[in-house]
Amino acid sequence: KNEVEQSPQNLTAQEGEFITINCSYSVGISALHWLQQHPGGGIVSLFMLSSGKKKHGRLIATINIQEKHSSLHITASHPRDSAVYICAVGGNQFYFGTGTSLTVIP
Amino acid sequence: KAGVTQTPRYLIKTRGQQVTLSCSPISGHRSVSWYQQTPGQGLQFLFEYFSETQRNKGNFPGRFSGRQFSNSRSEMNVSTLELGDSALYLCASSPGTAHSNQPQHFGDGTRLSIL
Repeated sequence: KNEVEQSPQNLTAQEGEFITINCSYSVGISALHWLQQHPGGGIVSLFMLSSGKKKHGRLIATINIQEKHSSLHITASHPRDSAVYICAVGGNQFYFGTGTSLTVIP
Repeated sequence: KAGVTQTPRYLIKTRGQQVTLSCSPISGHRSVSWYQQTPGQGLQFLFEYFSETQRNKGNFPGRFSGRQFSNSRSEMNVSTLELGDSALYLCASSPGTAHSNQPQHFGDGTRLSIL
């Protein structure tokens, strides 16, 4: 049983496309995190959400606490957005989704 | 401000040996969490330390242990290494505990290979 489900697993987009990655979770949480991992391993925290919506540049993250669902949107995608995006939910510990591997083609 | 520093970056060990990994958090951060990442299992939570006390622990055997020092630096130890322990080990720091709703800052990880 996976506490966090992400979809899609893999995503290929043309430069400029609007991208959505989804995350559903089944545990009680205090916050949901969206992480970005580039080849080589380094992880960057993009967003931390406990309600509503956050925007940073071309990235938008939303969360619906009642439905236990979050989405990460990338507007006007660019090849440098190519990375693995991981959803993580935190309470007493962190549970991670399996990640979405995004490739943006020029 | 310096980021989270993990040492060493790469490590090769053989089965049965033990290993100690180090993590220096961002200055002022009191929480350090450890994670294991493998191709098969993805990212999994190992444990969290806050103010030298283990606050939370994931579902890993007792061979995996850790500690945190008074300067918030943390070490993780794995004894009796198994082939399945080959993984990228990541640590992350934050000012407060994991459920204090503060973002985590990750190190670049230690890649451990078991031969």
